[in-house]
Amino acid sequence: EVQLVQSGAEVKKPGESLKISCKGSGYTFTNYWIGWVRQMPGKGLEWMGIIYPGDSDTRYSPSFQGQVTISTDKSISTAYLQWSSLKASDTAMYYCARGLGVRGVFDPWGQGTLVTVSS
Amino acid sequence: SSELTQDPAVSVALGQTVRITCQGDSLRSYYASWYQQKPGQAPVLVIYDKNNRPSGIPDRFSGSSSGNTASLTITGAQAEDEADYYCNSRDSSGNLVVFGGGTKLTVL
Repeated sequence: EVQLVQSGAEVKKPGESLKISCKGSGYTFTNYWIGWVRQMPGKGLEWMGIIYPGDSDTRYSPSFQGQVTISTDKSISTAYLQWSSLKASDTAMYYCARGLGVRGVFDPWGQGTLVTVSS
Repeated sequence: SSELTQDPAVSVALGQTVRITCQGDSLRSYYASWYQQKPGQAPVLVIYDKNNRPSGIPDRFSGSSSGNTASLTITGAQAEDEADYYCNSRDSSGNLVVFGGGTKLTVL
């Protein structure tokens, strides 16, 4: 069974750093893209960026370029999303999803990681 | 603002047919995919590459496209189809991905 399992919920203060993870199993991790999607409370889905674990080719939405870093460790089939300095506006649910090419076809999705940033 | 536009809300009577649309210039060149999201759950892919269904998705879900508009049709809507539906596709440059704003489907 193809599965993406994300790390647990986080509560952080503004200015702190954070790295959340997404571990793939049941398929060859290096052969598929991994995308990250933000969903702010009560809002829609926003595409943040995507990475190809095979060669680390990474693309960011202009809205998130410079705000987050997407990376992978293919030795442990894990993708990461990280922030160097969190803001309250980063409070959201973050999903990873396996991408079938770069055309935006995402299946399956991880269960989501809730990030809460509050002083 | 999203490059893909969806109606915020649509309703359908139980057992009837409903069409959810997604408009954007990039849809003239690229296929849309559709996702279903129920409250408190992760999104699920229901249609991709215009009209392909992943395994496990009922055949009452279908997709189509014309010009700058992609559509998701549910033929014989069921109570369990009540959810938010999102389209996505490549953006106009073809290098990035964009989601529509989502449509809340209510089954009456």
